[in-house]
Amino acid sequence: DTAVSQTPKYLVTQMGNDKSIKCEQNLGHDTMYWYKQDSKKFLKIMFSYNNKELIINETVPNRFSPKSPDKAHLNLHINSLELGDSAVYFCASSQMPDQPQHFGDGTRLSIL
Amino acid sequence: QQQVKQSPQSLIVQKGGISIINCAYENTAFDYFPWYQQFPGKGPALLIAIRPDVSEKKEGRFTISFNKSAKQFSLHIMDSQPGDSATYFCAAMAGYSTLTFGKGTMLLVSP
Repeated sequence: DTAVSQTPKYLVTQMGNDKSIKCEQNLGHDTMYWYKQDSKKFLKIMFSYNNKELIINETVPNRFSPKSPDKAHLNLHINSLELGDSAVYFCASSQMPDQPQHFGDGTRLSIL
Repeated sequence: QQQVKQSPQSLIVQKGGISIINCAYENTAFDYFPWYQQFPGKGPALLIAIRPDVSEKKEGRFTISFNKSAKQFSLHIMDSQPGDSATYFCAAMAGYSTLTFGKGTMLLVSP
């Protein structure tokens, strides 16, 4: 009964490809997030959605496009992958934007 | 611009000792200060959090101390155990904005 689940756990692909990461939460939360954790473990917010609507979009290349089909899902699509996109991507959710956030176990993206 | 500065970068503590991790912030609008614990291959998990209306919060062996005037807060882990070995992140948030994380502290508790 995983609260926030991401798939796949590992993603290895070549430069220039397009890939997607899926996220689902079963906590009934209204707000979902995508974070990027770099090789030095620094965590940075990428996007935040509340009730399927984008509320925060940090400085992220427009090759990254989040999509929220419903409140329980927030997927991340990445076009034209670059070497610098290699990182661990975490999905998270919270009841409201100012409430505690629950993280998934991450997707490790490796670009060859 | 790093809005939340965390130190030390790494920490080795003997079993039974006290682990102390410090964070400092500049943005006086921050009103929520959580600490997250992350084990290898896992996502960050909320450990304990504090709001600026109190100076200390304790949950089991974990205590947050908060100094509003100095714009600093710290995590104390009492009776540290090898199972506490993980990376710890402080974070801060203002209202409905996003969490800003510190750079993390790798804690190793030696048996």
